[in-house]
Amino acid sequence: KAGVTQTPRYLIKTRGQQVTLSCSPISGHRSVSWYQQTPGQGLQFLFEYFSETQRNKGNFPGRFSGRQFSNSRSEMNVSTLELGDSALYLCASSLAGTRADTQYFGPGTRLTVL
Amino acid sequence: GENVEQHPSTLSVQEGDSAVIKCTYSDSASNYFPWYKQELGKRPQLIIDIRSNVGEKKDQRIAVTLNKTAKHFSLHITETQPEDSAVYFCAANTGNQFYFGTGTSLTVIP
Repeated sequence: KAGVTQTPRYLIKTRGQQVTLSCSPISGHRSVSWYQQTPGQGLQFLFEYFSETQRNKGNFPGRFSGRQFSNSRSEMNVSTLELGDSALYLCASSLAGTRADTQYFGPGTRLTVL
Repeated sequence: GENVEQHPSTLSVQEGDSAVIKCTYSDSASNYFPWYKQELGKRPQLIIDIRSNVGEKKDQRIAVTLNKTAKHFSLHITETQPEDSAVYFCAANTGNQFYFGTGTSLTVIP
């Protein structure tokens, strides 16, 4: 099976712009979670989608949003970018019948905000 | 919410020695504890996991132990090799979401 894929792999934006990142889960996986990874904070949970519904959300401002499509692909959007949004954004997919399923990570999108 | 603490943040060992990384968690509802290895510039890869109904699990040179009473779990790597050099993350799942430790950078010195 193909692994989790993310596009684009690298992005450079300026403050105030918005950005959309995409994640395609492993075939058959219905849950997609998003994480922000920074050197000082480790992996911080953004949100999880299951069957097109946001099932859980972390402590990030409303500028961070996401959605999931009927084929389980997911997008996350960050509006009004700030310098502090520079990070590696990882998505992870799981079968997610139960919430304690193993998660498999994508390669990440490296976002740089100038 | 859950709080996962991971120690040490950096660890250097000689090739062939053992490495131990420890994590503690706060929420007794946590019931699934995976460990991930992340090499530089690569995605986190699951290396071993344990569920709360098991005290220990082993896979070749890697083992994980769980003490539910004390709310801590540990990763043990024996006979370390240079390719074990990476950042290791522990995580705990409460049934709602995963909470990750801040990572341990392991360096195996040849």
